[in-house]
Amino acid sequence: AQKITQTQPGMFVQEKEAVTLDCTYDTSDQSYGLFWYKQPSSGEMIFLIYQGSYDEQNATEGRYSLNFQKARKSANLVISASQLGDSAMYFCAIEVWGGTASKLTFGTGTRLQVTL
Amino acid sequence: DADVTQTPRNRITKTGKRIMLECSQTKGHDRMYWYRQDPGLGLQLIYYSFDVKDINKGEISDGYSVSRQAQAKFSLSLESAIPNQTALYFCATSDSLGGTQYFGPGTRLLVL
Repeated sequence: AQKITQTQPGMFVQEKEAVTLDCTYDTSDQSYGLFWYKQPSSGEMIFLIYQGSYDEQNATEGRYSLNFQKARKSANLVISASQLGDSAMYFCAIEVWGGTASKLTFGTGTRLQVTL
Repeated sequence: DADVTQTPRNRITKTGKRIMLECSQTKGHDRMYWYRQDPGLGLQLIYYSFDVKDINKGEISDGYSVSRQAQAKFSLSLESAIPNQTALYFCATSDSLGGTQYFGPGTRLLVL
């Protein structure tokens, strides 16, 4: 079974600064995808960024980038130039592609607070 | 219009009542999922469906049932609700294995 660990329950960052949210994963499968989702206080789950296990380049989407270190089994999210609207819960998730099963396994999340 | 919709958005019910949560999508995706989120936790998979004729149990399916009425519709039922089913419920869709899952806005359920 796969597992996601997010060790930072809460983080603070000043507006316009960069912040890294940690995510480590555990799986014995070679084929998998890693995802980050944002959950603002309104509750919806917003997809941010994706990294496939065979992707050699780190994924980037605007101000979001994923620092993928396969040997360390880490997939940290980097948010550059933080904005007040980035304050939210952030979840890391993994989907393993072996067989026909397809489900996301989520971590417990990191609450990010952006301050002035 | 939202691609993945859930109804109702909020619901209060009593122990022992039957309740149905509905999910509709206009993304044309074959795969649909139901998750629950408890306060302070990540999401856990209840059921998933890869097409209309395919239904699979997730991690926490006890006490729940589902129906895939069409490609675009996937309903979750609580046959006899209990207080520890109080949670935020999400429907999600994806187009393929490894495809990004897109979530609906969630249904907040309170079981008294």
